[in-house]
Amino acid sequence: DIQMTQSPASLSASLGETVSIECLASEDIYNNLAWYQQKPGKSPQLLIYYASSLQDGVPSRFSGSGSGTQYSLKINSLESEDAATYFCLQDSEYPFTFGSGTKLEIK
Amino acid sequence: EVKLVESGGGLVQPGRSLKLSCAASGFSFNDYWMGWVRQAPGKGLEWIGEINQDSSTINYTPSLKDKFTISRDNAQNTLYLQMSKLGSEDTAIYYCARANIATLDYWGQGVMVTVSS
Repeated sequence: DIQMTQSPASLSASLGETVSIECLASEDIYNNLAWYQQKPGKSPQLLIYYASSLQDGVPSRFSGSGSGTQYSLKINSLESEDAATYFCLQDSEYPFTFGSGTKLEIK
Repeated sequence: EVKLVESGGGLVQPGRSLKLSCAASGFSFNDYWMGWVRQAPGKGLEWIGEINQDSSTINYTPSLKDKFTISRDNAQNTLYLQMSKLGSEDTAIYYCARANIATLDYWGQGVMVTVSS
């Protein structure tokens, strides 16, 4: 199985700041990586697919990048509504696997 | 509007079976792969498996392959998850999701399954 190592486990940032979250795959996943946002008590919402494509309706302050085994999610100009847990998912090879999540707190 | 609504969860005794359903609407159900994901309380997400449009291909995470069975009824626009030999480790919220070119793009609200005596 492909292992997804996500970091950091948590971070705290202020309104208006920019943050990045990383996912490292145990092997090349050929950009087959998605990012999700999950708020407490809610189901995950797709933000980014195929490493850098923005899902319809997602604010442009979210962006994804990377290739090979290393991928990142960047959130510009943090807003209070961005407080959530973020997960990556590799959908390159079965079984698909998730990162362990990053909890983002807005100061 | 894409809508996925899970049902069938609840409290179940260890060793018993349970079948979850996911009713889909707002899109052409038989054009999409569908999948299940679970999340234990306070934990991360675990991909369970996916089924293709005509049920000819079903992929599972290996550790659950012998316990869980995914199926679908395209006439009823419904996805199923049959779970057997349940243990406390299966206590989780279970989500169904639509797979759009592999990526899970829309998720249901989830249904809670609690395995306890």
